Amino acid sequence: DTAVSQTPKYLVTQMGNDKSIKCEQNLGHDTMYWYKQDSKKFLKIMFSYNNKELIINETVPNRFSPKSPDKAHLNLHINSLELGDSAVYFCASSVSYEQYFGPGTRLTVT
Amino acid sequence: GQSLEQPSEVTAVEGAIVQINCTYQTSGFYGLSWYQQHDGGAPTFLSYNALDGLEETGRFSSFLSRSDSYGYLLLQELQMKDSASYFCAFTNNNDMRFGAGTRLTVKP
Repeated sequence: DTAVSQTPKYLVTQMGNDKSIKCEQNLGHDTMYWYKQDSKKFLKIMFSYNNKELIINETVPNRFSPKSPDKAHLNLHINSLELGDSAVYFCASSVSYEQYFGPGTRLTVT
Repeated sequence: GQSLEQPSEVTAVEGAIVQINCTYQTSGFYGLSWYQQHDGGAPTFLSYNALDGLEETGRFSSFLSRSDSYGYLLLQELQMKDSASYFCAFTNNNDMRFGAGTRLTVKP
């Protein structure tokens, strides 16, 4: 009965590669998010989608592109990976002020 | 600009009470949330304050003063399992932003 799931849990890849992280929520929420948490544990919102429409697009490099095929899914595609992209990426969903986070994807770029 | 300030670390002993403060600066403020995150885990929601005053949920309480742009999380009867990072976050009319987190260490 996982509420918010992400795949993969771990991702190790080399600089310059392109990778995707998938997120699905079964809570029926209209809003989904992507967050990046760096090694200092700072949690920064990257994108937010409300019912498949982008409503927040923080100043992240355009190598990062979110895609929402339907309101239960929000995927994150990253092109030309760089060392600084190494972090934990969390997907989340919400219906109001309470956000439900996925388990995170630890991305390591070597 | 927009900002949140909270202490980086707090240490307390089992059974004690600890208060984690959070000050924020933003426009169009809606409310202040608190999240708990254990090492290697995901943030989990603890509480939300939209109005001034104290909200109590079991051993945890959260307070908000909108006029002072200030809130705190109060943890009572501390247990070892409360060792974690605690994040305050504000919601405004555009956005939700998290503070840098406070690492709470509970000692026996």
